Amino acid sequence: GDSVTQMEGPVTLSEEAFLTINCTYTATGYPSLFWYVQYPGEGLQLLLKATKADDKGSNKGFEATYRKETTSFHLEKGSVQVSDSAVYFCALSESTNAGKSTFGDGTTLTVKP
Amino acid sequence: NAGVTQTPKFRVLKTGQSMTLLCAQDMNHEYMYWYRQDPGMGLRLIHYSVGEGTTAKGEVPDGYNVSRLKKQNFLLGLESAAPSQTSVYFCASSYPGLAGEVLNEQYFGPGTRLTVT
Repeated sequence: GDSVTQMEGPVTLSEEAFLTINCTYTATGYPSLFWYVQYPGEGLQLLLKATKADDKGSNKGFEATYRKETTSFHLEKGSVQVSDSAVYFCALSESTNAGKSTFGDGTTLTVKP
Repeated sequence: NAGVTQTPKFRVLKTGQSMTLLCAQDMNHEYMYWYRQDPGMGLRLIHYSVGEGTTAKGEVPDGYNVSRLKKQNFLLGLESAAPSQTSVYFCASSYPGLAGEVLNEQYFGPGTRLTVT
């Protein structure tokens, strides 16, 4: 079945540091890939997405590229801010999966001033 | 648009009591989901629905029932609450998309924090 493996956390960075959160996946077909973010006390919200190989999703300074050859979708940001402190979830969805998405376990990011 | 709303936001139950969590979405989405989120365990799918009048079991369905009588609403019921059901519950909705489009981008509600004593 499908699976998503995320870099284990928690991750602590200083403001303006470079961020990478690794995500690799296993899927039977050609999934859509997502990064969701969850701020404290809130629900998840979509951060960025990609539908096919070599697509780059981007939003709020975050980027991730759909790499089919390495089955990866790593999240990056060049300069993090304190306001980026949150939990980040990698996820995939396939048309063969009856409407369900597969989520990673989440990575907690704390950015210190 | 309100998006996905959940009622109530907080609730405390005694063991054995019952309750219903309500999820509503105003985006005309076909698919709806109930998840629970516990520390260190990520999101776990309880039940989901791919259309009005249909429901299916997810990863952790025991102790819960659901109904989708109207397309915009998805109800989660606990018939006899147990302390193990203390959790944060999230509802989400999505649309299936077409081949070549983004599939199942999910829209989440703000969550319901349930404590069972």
